[in-house]
Amino acid sequence: NAGVTQTPKFQVLKTGQSMTLQCAQDMNHNSMYWYRQDPGMGLRLIYYSASEGTTDKGEVPNGYNVSRLNKREFSLRLESAAPSQTSVYFCASSEAAYEQYFGPGTRLTVT
Amino acid sequence: GQSLEQPSEVTAVEGAIVQINCTYQTSGFYGLSWYQQHDGGAPTFLSYNALDGLEETGRFSSFLSRSDSYGYLLLQELQMKDSASYFCAGRPGNTGKLIFGQGTTLQVKP
Repeated sequence: NAGVTQTPKFQVLKTGQSMTLQCAQDMNHNSMYWYRQDPGMGLRLIYYSASEGTTDKGEVPNGYNVSRLNKREFSLRLESAAPSQTSVYFCASSEAAYEQYFGPGTRLTVT
Repeated sequence: GQSLEQPSEVTAVEGAIVQINCTYQTSGFYGLSWYQQHDGGAPTFLSYNALDGLEETGRFSSFLSRSDSYGYLLLQELQMKDSASYFCAGRPGNTGKLIFGQGTTLQVKP
């Protein structure tokens, strides 16, 4: 089992460009999450999906959109990237919220 | 508000015991989880306390006191590979999400 996979691993964008971060899990989990982590900071929840077809805002949703494509896949879209969105983005999945399984992360730089 | 406070750094020597504290301010808080992260990689789940008391998993133990809004992670027989960042995380209300503390960087010295 691959667990949680994320693509791409690294990305550099110019201000105003758009992109979609992809996440997939093969553990048959119902819940999926997107976090961002800035240097010296904890993980901040952007959006989460408790089940296929549902999404909810987290702590820092502004500037992002998500799509729960099916049970396996949960994508994060930046419509117009800003330097403040430079961060490491982690996707996670779980059956129980307290025990989440994380992907390897996408390191995004916006110039 | 919903926030969790941890010390930013802790240093200990190999073979010792170290305790990483986590205090929180929130209402309707459901349990406390702990995660480990090496060198900015994927965080991994360590333990969860739903109720007050101590949970033990090998060299790691976690404690929760809901009346004191306080928990800790106890690492025994420290090894160099335990050098990492440790995060506490709480579930606000009966929701499907977690709020993370800012993390504690543990440095284990020979």
